[in-house]
Amino acid sequence: EAGVAQSPRYKIIEKRQSVAFWCNPISGHATLYWYQQILGQGPKLLIQFQNNGVVDDSQLPKDRFSAERLKGVDSTLKIQPAKLEDSAVYLCASSPFRGTETQYFGPGTRLLVL
Amino acid sequence: AQSVTQLGSHVSVSEGALVLLRCNYSSSVPPYLFWYVQYPNQGLQLLLKYTSAATLVKGINGFEAEFKKSETSFHLTKPSAHMSDAAEYFCAVSSRDDKIIFGKGTRLHILP
Repeated sequence: EAGVAQSPRYKIIEKRQSVAFWCNPISGHATLYWYQQILGQGPKLLIQFQNNGVVDDSQLPKDRFSAERLKGVDSTLKIQPAKLEDSAVYLCASSPFRGTETQYFGPGTRLLVL
Repeated sequence: AQSVTQLGSHVSVSEGALVLLRCNYSSSVPPYLFWYVQYPNQGLQLLLKYTSAATLVKGINGFEAEFKKSETSFHLTKPSAHMSDAAEYFCAVSSRDDKIIFGKGTRLHILP
């Protein structure tokens, strides 16, 4: 079965520009997660979707970050405007259900903000 | 609130030697515990998980971990290290229907 797909793999932008990341989860997985992984740290959950509804976005900086999963399948994460501290790897993961089900991760998008 | 502490941001072992990566957790409810591995430029891959069944959990690639409630620990071990085990390892904690909290990671170096 195909894994979680993410694009682009790498992105370099200047501060105050906008950027968008795309994720296509494993087919049939109801739950989709976006994580931010800053160099030297573990992944931090930004937002969790159950189908096309938001379950948890408590750690999403909503003044600049937004995410959607309109049809309950693929998802986009947007940053507008970007700051230097947004430089990180953005990981998408999916799982069949919520909770303790194994999460399957994509390869990530490495963002560098100059 | 739940949290995870991984002792040692870098661990080096010789090829063929025992691998021991330490993880301590904090949780007010019975935890679910995970170990993930991340190879360079890749996403995370589940090694093993504890969900309140057997306290000794066997995972992929010869890794295993033991849940010790009295020590609030979930250390990862492998009897004999292989060069291909060089990667970053993340311990994580969750409770039912809650988000997973990851530790900061331990980078494992294998010496020839």
